[in-house]
This record gives sequence, structure tokens and C-alpha cells, in this order.
Amino acid sequence: GAGVSQSPSNKVTEKGKDVELRCDPISGHTALYWYRQSLGQGLEFLIYFQGNSAPDKSGLPSDRFSAERTGGSVSTLTIQRTQQEDSAVYLCASSLDQVDTQYFGPGTRLTVL
Amino acid sequence: AQSVTQPDIHITVSEGASLELRCNYSYGATPYLFWYVQSPGQGLQLLLKYFSGDTLVQGIKGFEAEFKRSQSSFNLRKPSVHWSDAAEYFCAVTILTGGGNKLTFGTGTQLKVEL
Repeated sequence: GAGVSQSPSNKVTEKGKDVELRCDPISGHTALYWYRQSLGQGLEFLIYFQGNSAPDKSGLPSDRFSAERTGGSVSTLTIQRTQQEDSAVYLCASSLDQVDTQYFGPGTRLTVL
Repeated sequence: AQSVTQPDIHITVSEGASLELRCNYSYGATPYLFWYVQSPGQGLQLLLKYFSGDTLVQGIKGFEAEFKRSQSSFNLRKPSVHWSDAAEYFCAVTILTGGGNKLTFGTGTQLKVEL
């Protein structure tokens, strides 16, 4: 079946602009996670959704970052007023429930000029 | 806070040779342990996982890992490496809480395979 998909695959933006990154999880997966992969910080957890609720937002680096999930499916990660340090690959993962294996999407590579 | 250490940033092996990638974790309780592989431009693919039970776990692509509680280690092994195994390997840990099982990753080990 279809895996986790993310769009766009690449995004180049100018400093100060807002960006939206999209994640389509595997159908039926109730848990959804966002991670960030950068050269300086490695792979970091950002936020976890169970259904449409986000019980763990502890990894969001600043209030410029927000995320939502609608219909228990698609999730959008929004970064406002982007900074150069936001440049990274943003990975989304989903799992059947909160204890199941996480399956990762291919990521969105964000470059902030 | 839980942490994961992968002491080898780069490893080079010859095709056909055996491989061991090291992973040590720091956490008071027994965490759940994972190995993921990432090929260039790709997402993370799960190789294997340990939740409980037999401490030697088998994964895909001929990989196995052994959980050693006394050493807080979860090393990944493969008896004979293939050129297609060249990739970056990440060890990860989590504990189950009411707030999901967010993964804490090691810094990764880049594997190069010489033909």
C-alpha cells in the first residue's frame, strides 16, 4: 500500500517568509510525528499527534513553529518568518497507534536563503 | 533525559566482510530500541526493533542486533556486507508514555563499502 508522503520534496524560501510543509500519513494510522534532520543537530523530534490532538509539542524550537492535523489524517507544519537556521530536512512519520512502529516519509528539504 | 550514542561517525568495510555498528543508550528503564537506515535522499527505513523477549533480534536485509542490558548496548551486525548496504545507520530509543513514543536518535554512522 501507499507509504507516508510529504510535499513539497524541496522548498527554497527567503528569510522572513512563511512556509507550509505537508504530510500524508499511511491510511488508518492514528499517530503522526514530525522530526527535523539538520547537520548541526542531527535528528530531532518536533511534535506528536494522536488523532487531531497534539499531546506532545515539546520539540518545537520556537513559537514560529506550529502544526495541525485535520480529519485524523493530513498534517501541516508551518514555519513563520523563516530563519537560515530553519534549513533542514523535515521528516514525517506515522504509526498505527502510539506504540506501533513508525514509518517515515521521504522528507521535505527546506532551504532558507 | 534519555540519550543515544553512536561512537563511530564513519566506518569503511570491504564487501563480503562482517560489520558491527555500535549503539549505547542512557536511560534508567529499559527502552524500546530501533535501528533505521537512510539512503541518500531517502527517508528512514526500519531495519529491526527490540521491545522485549529474546535479546537477539533479526531484521531485514540480513541484519541482526543484540540487546545487552549490562552494557546498555544495542549493536547492529551483519555477517557479510553487500555494496548496497552503503548508507547511514541510526540507532534510536523510546519509552512508551501517554504522549506517544517519540524517538531519540543517535548521531548516525555513515557506512562506506569498498568493492
